Amino acid sequence: DIQMTQSPSSLSASVGDRVTITCRASQGISKYLNWYQQRPGSAPTLLIYAASSLQSGVPSRFSGSGSGTHFTLTISSLQPEDFATYYCQQSYGTPQTFGQGTKLEIK
Amino acid sequence: QVQLQESGPGLVKPSQTLSLTCTISGGSISGGDYYWTWIRQPPGKGLEWIGHIPYSGNSDYHPSLKSRVLISVDSTKNQFSMRLTSVTAADTAVYYCARDTSILAGGGTFDVWGQGKMVIVSS
Repeated sequence: DIQMTQSPSSLSASVGDRVTITCRASQGISKYLNWYQQRPGSAPTLLIYAASSLQSGVPSRFSGSGSGTHFTLTISSLQPEDFATYYCQQSYGTPQTFGQGTKLEIK
Repeated sequence: QVQLQESGPGLVKPSQTLSLTCTISGGSISGGDYYWTWIRQPPGKGLEWIGHIPYSGNSDYHPSLKSRVLISVDSTKNQFSMRLTSVTAADTAVYYCARDTSILAGGGTFDVWGQGKMVIVSS
């Protein structure tokens, strides 16, 4: 299985901050990388697909980049509703695998 | 707008079979090129892909669960289902059904999710 490793595991930030979350794959996955947001008690929602494409309806303050083994999710200006857990996920190989998650908390 | 809803028992005894159904509303299970997928999340932990099935075609499963899981489609009810046999406490999790929109690229992009069903394995 392809292993996905996110850093940091948790992050404290303030409203208005710019934050970046990193995801690394154990092997090259081209741009087959998606990002999800999960609020407590809710299902994940798709934010970014194919490494850098913004899912319909997702605010433009979210952006993704990277290819191969190194990827980033950036939130340009944190809003109160952005405090949640974020997961990366590779769709290059089966089984599709997720990172362990990054919990974004209010400072 | 397509919506998914999981249903089934919330408590299953060890060694028994966990059965869940996902009902699709706002769209047809046969409309479009999708994989219909199950994903689970143990309490306080991350997400694990269980497997998927297209409307017509072969299902595929996580290698670690392949011997115990079966996913099927019931087009008459616009539903798909999952059965997981010989469950243990390690199968306790929130189970999500999801739509995979990237079937033409091999799968793996989940754009619609159900709300999730908590299933506890305990005697």
